[in-house]
Amino acid sequence: ILNVEQSPQSLHVQEGDSTNFTCSFPSSNFYALHWYRWETAKSPEALFVMTLNGDEKKKGRISATLNTKEGYSYLYIKGSQPEDSATYLCAFINTDKLIFGTGTRLQVFP
Amino acid sequence: DAGITQSPRYKITETGRQVTLMCHQTWSHSYMFWYRQDLGHGLRLIYYSAAADITDKGEVPDGYVVSRSKTENFPLTLESATRSQTSVYFCASRDPQSLHFGNGTRLTVT
Repeated sequence: ILNVEQSPQSLHVQEGDSTNFTCSFPSSNFYALHWYRWETAKSPEALFVMTLNGDEKKKGRISATLNTKEGYSYLYIKGSQPEDSATYLCAFINTDKLIFGTGTRLQVFP
Repeated sequence: DAGITQSPRYKITETGRQVTLMCHQTWSHSYMFWYRQDLGHGLRLIYYSAAADITDKGEVPDGYVVSRSKTENFPLTLESATRSQTSVYFCASRDPQSLHFGNGTRLTVT
C-alpha cells in the first residue's frame, strides 16, 4: 500500500498571511509528484508536476519544492487571498498508479 | 468539445442494483482512472487503465468492475450497489504532465 500523507489537514489563515503545507510520500520507485488545487463543487486542477529531486516550481504566489530522497514536497502560498481557499492535493506517481494524499483544506479569511 | 465528460452527473439507485458510470475523453490519452471522493479519505483510486484492454486494480476495487474496449471510454460498473458505495466518483485521464478530471458523478445508494 502506497502511503501519501498531507499535513495539516486544515488551515485557517488571514488574508495576507503566508502559509505552507507538506506532502510525504514513499521515497522508493519515485516517478513524479503532482500538486492539485480543488475548489468546492469543481474538479481538481493541476498546479505543478515535479519530477527531479530539488525541483522548485512557481506559479504566481504559489510555489513548490521537492525532495525525492527523503520523500517530501512543500507547497507555499505567499500573501494568501480569499480566492486561494480550496483543498490542495498532492499525488504520488510510481510508473502507473497515481495515489492522492487526503489533502489540506485551506480557508483564507478577509 | 474536447475534454473528459462523465455521465450521469447525479444518480440515485437502490441497494443491489447494477449501475454503470460512464466516462469519455476526446484526447486519446492512454491512461484513465476512476477515483471516489469520501470525507476523510480524499480521492481513492478504484481502478485504472494504461491502454485499451488493459486495466488494473487501485486501492479500493472491491465491488467495482471496469472495461476499456476503446481508448476513449472507461465505464465503471457497480455490480450490486451497496450503501457504502454512496460517493462522488471522478474519472480522469492523464497526459504526460497531469491528470484531467471529469466533473464527477454523485451516486447515492438507498
